[in-house]
Amino acid sequence: GEKVEQHESTLSVREGDSAVINCTYTDTASSYFPWYKQEAGKSLHFVIDIRSNVDRKQSQRLIVLLDKKAKRFSLHITATQPEDSAIYFCAAKHYGNEKITFGAGTKLTIKP
Amino acid sequence: EAAVTQSPRNKVTVTGGNVTLSCRQTNSHNYMYWYRQDTGHGLRLIHYSYGAGNLQIGDVPDGYKATRTTQEDFFLLLELASPSQTSLYFCASSDAISAETLYFGSGTRLTVL
Repeated sequence: GEKVEQHESTLSVREGDSAVINCTYTDTASSYFPWYKQEAGKSLHFVIDIRSNVDRKQSQRLIVLLDKKAKRFSLHITATQPEDSAIYFCAAKHYGNEKITFGAGTKLTIKP
Repeated sequence: EAAVTQSPRNKVTVTGGNVTLSCRQTNSHNYMYWYRQDTGHGLRLIHYSYGAGNLQIGDVPDGYKATRTTQEDFFLLLELASPSQTSLYFCASSDAISAETLYFGSGTRLTVL
């Protein structure tokens, strides 16, 4: 089955700098790659996704890049703010499969 | 926004105990999922369902049963709880495969002594 590896278990950046979280996946049939955010003591919520028909997607300060050849995707958070501090999960699934496989999570800390 | 409600928020039981975790979603979503969250493992899928009476096996089903009684309600059952099942459990729902976005409940923290 699909395996998603999230490379950074923790990441600390200074406020205003950019943060990058990297993930790799194993199933070449995977075509959908969402990201979820979990703030301290709270549940997860969706933040952004990318599908395999594009290699870049941006939503305000969030950018997702997809490299299908390397089976790698990444989340870039620009101009970081204190409220970006959270655990971020990457995930993958392929179209028609009901299961979404998650990475282990990256705890992002924004330092003042 | 989809509403997914889990109960209880916290539960403590003993080894061998019987536990039922409840989840209700009120947005007429077809798909419902049970995940467990453990440090170092992220979220792992236990069971899921695409409608009342349907049950699909996830990636870590051992020791768990589930039942989808209505479109709204999905239950996770631990009939002989073990300490390895101490975890944070999340229920999620999604309206269709193509939509794909998961809406999560607030979680149930289960401790098995």
